[in-house]
Amino acid sequence: EAGVAQSPRYKIIEKRQSVAFWCNPISGHATLYWYQQILGQGPKLLIQFQNNGVVDDSQLPKDRFSAERLKGVDSTLKIQPAKLEDSAVYLCASSYASKYGETQYFGPGTRLLVL
Amino acid sequence: KQEVTQIPAALSVPEGENLVLNCSFTDSAIYNLQWFRQDPGKGLTSLLLIQSSQREQTSGRLNASLDKSSGRSTLYIAASQPGDSATYLCAVNRGSTLGRLYFGRGTQLTVWP
Repeated sequence: EAGVAQSPRYKIIEKRQSVAFWCNPISGHATLYWYQQILGQGPKLLIQFQNNGVVDDSQLPKDRFSAERLKGVDSTLKIQPAKLEDSAVYLCASSYASKYGETQYFGPGTRLLVL
Repeated sequence: KQEVTQIPAALSVPEGENLVLNCSFTDSAIYNLQWFRQDPGKGLTSLLLIQSSQREQTSGRLNASLDKSSGRSTLYIAASQPGDSATYLCAVNRGSTLGRLYFGRGTQLTVWP
């Protein structure tokens, strides 16, 4: 079974530029998450989708971050304009509910450096 | 607000030792708790998931326990190996917004031969 795919793996941009990340979840997983992981910290949820609807975006800085999940499959996360403090790893995860609970499967992440 | 704390922040042990990683959380109203492993430059791999009604889960050399009333979980690793070197993250799911995980900062484990 293929895992969660993300691209690009690395991105370096200058502040005030824009950037976009792409995520392809595991086939059949209805729920998709974007997390931000700053160096030395645990991941923090930015946005959660159920199919193509937003469930939770309470921690998404909506003045500069946006995300969409078209057709309930792939998702893109965009930052415009980027700030220095956006330097982090952006992790995408997908999950499905089973009798054992809801296990999230993570992609390798996109490492963003804002100069 | 749910806060998750992991102690110690870093741990270095010789191969073969049994070790314990600790996780505490402030709000005991959780749906489940997960332990993840993160290797440098890679995503997270789920190791164990404990439902709020369970006390422990085991997988191979790993055993995770959960004491919901005291807001604590431990991950026990038996007979550690150099391949166990990674960062271990604890995360709780509150259930009110199903799926949302609250993570600790992790414990960076180094097992030397």
